[in-house]
Amino acid sequence: DGGITQSPKYLFRKEGQNVTLSCEQNLNHDAMYWYRQDPGQGLRLIYYSQIVNDFQKGDIAEGYSVSREKKESFPLTVTSAQKNPTAFYLCASSTGLADTQYFGPGTRLTVL
Amino acid sequence: GDSVTQMEGPVTLSEEAFLTINCTYTATGYPSLFWYVQYPGEGLQLLLKATKADDKGSNKGFEATYRKETTSFHLEKGSVQVSDSAVYFCALSEKSSYKLIFGSGTRLLVRP
Repeated sequence: DGGITQSPKYLFRKEGQNVTLSCEQNLNHDAMYWYRQDPGQGLRLIYYSQIVNDFQKGDIAEGYSVSREKKESFPLTVTSAQKNPTAFYLCASSTGLADTQYFGPGTRLTVL
Repeated sequence: GDSVTQMEGPVTLSEEAFLTINCTYTATGYPSLFWYVQYPGEGLQLLLKATKADDKGSNKGFEATYRKETTSFHLEKGSVQVSDSAVYFCALSEKSSYKLIFGSGTRLLVRP
């Protein structure tokens, strides 16, 4: 079955630690995205990637980093510089410009 | 810049009632419009979309019509079920951009 997987579903981190969230897709999509969702709010774009080895900052990139070494994978690292990292993180992918974005199940990150 | 405005929730209805969730948008061009649904603890699922004026998107009994003259994309369903309880997000995507711009979401609660 084609789709997007994110792991882990729940993640706990101590303050000052970096943590990496996984996102994998087997839809053969070129574009991938990371969003952050806070309670009662819409989604905000962190980073996006149009093709392999290329990515762009979104609206709230500070304190986050990404890589796109393979078409299928777009991991997100939440660094210790992110001041308020507790949130629900969603990965998405699409074939291209303005095409429908499909979302993974999300990872809930809690900083203790 | 582009933006999406949704009616504030929660919207509480009895089963079999008629549903309308209002969505209006501001965009410089002619965007594609989307409705996504999010069930508790899950990622977003595409509900329906429309890519040009007067198009009607429909799925699972939900409908929305792209109204350019009123810059609206209201979501409707003739008879809601308890299983429709979720958060609904309206979103737009400009054809020249990869970005998906979301409204803040509307929570729907359907009571038996």
